[in-house]
Amino acid sequence: QKEVEQNSGPLSVPEGAIASLNCTYSDRGSQSFFWYRQYSGKSPELIMSIYSNGDKEDGRFTAQLNKASQYVSLLIRDSQPSDSATYLCAVNLRDSNYQLIWGAGTKLIIKP
Amino acid sequence: DTGVSQDPRHKITKRGQNVTFRCDPISEHNRLYWYRQTLGQGPEFLTYFQNEAQLEKSRLLSDRFSAERPKGSFSTLEIQRTEQGDSAMYLCASSLGFWTGVPEQFFGPGTRLTVL
Repeated sequence: QKEVEQNSGPLSVPEGAIASLNCTYSDRGSQSFFWYRQYSGKSPELIMSIYSNGDKEDGRFTAQLNKASQYVSLLIRDSQPSDSATYLCAVNLRDSNYQLIWGAGTKLIIKP
Repeated sequence: DTGVSQDPRHKITKRGQNVTFRCDPISEHNRLYWYRQTLGQGPEFLTYFQNEAQLEKSRLLSDRFSAERPKGSFSTLEIQRTEQGDSAMYLCASSLGFWTGVPEQFFGPGTRLTVL
């Protein structure tokens, strides 16, 4: 069974602090990793993609990938109330160049 | 804005009726995906097109569901004889096609289906 695991939360973080979201996956053959943000009642919005081990930064967001330990994380610096949402982790199914396996998401609450 | 669009945004229907949803992908994207999402869950893969060819359909998907992408542009998803368990958000996404790796998928706003 191919799985992507996320803590459902809610994760509560004070405004201005760093929010750290984690995701583990079971398929060692996965090569492509994505973080999406989803506001309540809305569709997922792509934040970051990462394909290689290490860190990838984009503005206040940093994605971290460790294939040996099979986890991917998302850091949000200087958290804002507008960052309050559910964050979904998606990982490609091994040997598939299109199919993604999704976590159930972590609900993040930024407290002013 | 030339993002992914979906129509309708909301659909309420009675059990047993047929419904059809439309998705218009980003114009240069040759891949199109349909997902279903229920509350508290991640998107569930339904089917995938590369250009006009439907290359994969989830084994979990009932035969009541069918999708088309006749000219490799817009796509339709039809659900026949709807059941209350079909109530969900139906999401369409599109992407470029990479020869290696998995490309980024961009989602439309979704169609919220309620079956009474």
